[in-house]
Amino acid sequence: DTEVTQTPKHLVMGMTNKKSLKCEQHMGHRAMYWYKQKAKKPPELMFVYSYEKLSINESVPSRFSPECPNSSLLNLHLHALQPEDSALYLCASSQDEAGRAQSSYNEQFFGPGTRLTVL
Amino acid sequence: GENVEQHPSTLSVQEGDSAVIKCTYSDSASNYFPWYKQELGKGPQLIIDIRSNVGEKKDQRIAVTLNKTAKHFSLHITETQPEDSAVYFCAASIRGGGADGLTFGKGTHLIIQP
Repeated sequence: DTEVTQTPKHLVMGMTNKKSLKCEQHMGHRAMYWYKQKAKKPPELMFVYSYEKLSINESVPSRFSPECPNSSLLNLHLHALQPEDSALYLCASSQDEAGRAQSSYNEQFFGPGTRLTVL
Repeated sequence: GENVEQHPSTLSVQEGDSAVIKCTYSDSASNYFPWYKQELGKGPQLIIDIRSNVGEKKDQRIAVTLNKTAKHFSLHITETQPEDSAVYFCAASIRGGGADGLTFGKGTHLIIQP
């Protein structure tokens, strides 16, 4: 299995709703990522998990709450979002072999994304 | 932090011709440079990457070159085909061997004219 899957594909929510985005990979990768992509813009890093621990948080508002229950799963819990949070949310994964400078272990593989609309 | 500049923003070429997309980066510590292709409604797909110890890498019709001194790298696509039409992103990363986010360029919309 060489793919990253994300559910749901589309999500519409109100500003008072609570919802979750899910991401799964079975490539044995130990690093997982959330990116946000607005229309006609590049992906922007939100969070990085390494060995199920949060290692990077790019100053993301607390209404976005990541969770990594195990090495194959990554969730993004959403609460009290704003219309400007509407975007494509991308999950990615990679191996994580810190200390190996000459390796292919940072190749990041992306899922298809969840298209989020906040009304 | 790292800053990646990408040019051009739009590139239109005749089918069969070559396409070149250029990127520059700011942080000399960056050592991993992937290129992604993104089609409408899909996630980015890794098409080729290069590490700082290599100057050039080829994979069939696609090649990437890296000039560490000048801090720029380029994507070359030869014999372009209609299915090459997409948005292409360059990116850079500091921790080439560990979990690290990617900093992306703004993207190039490549249009292959039949």
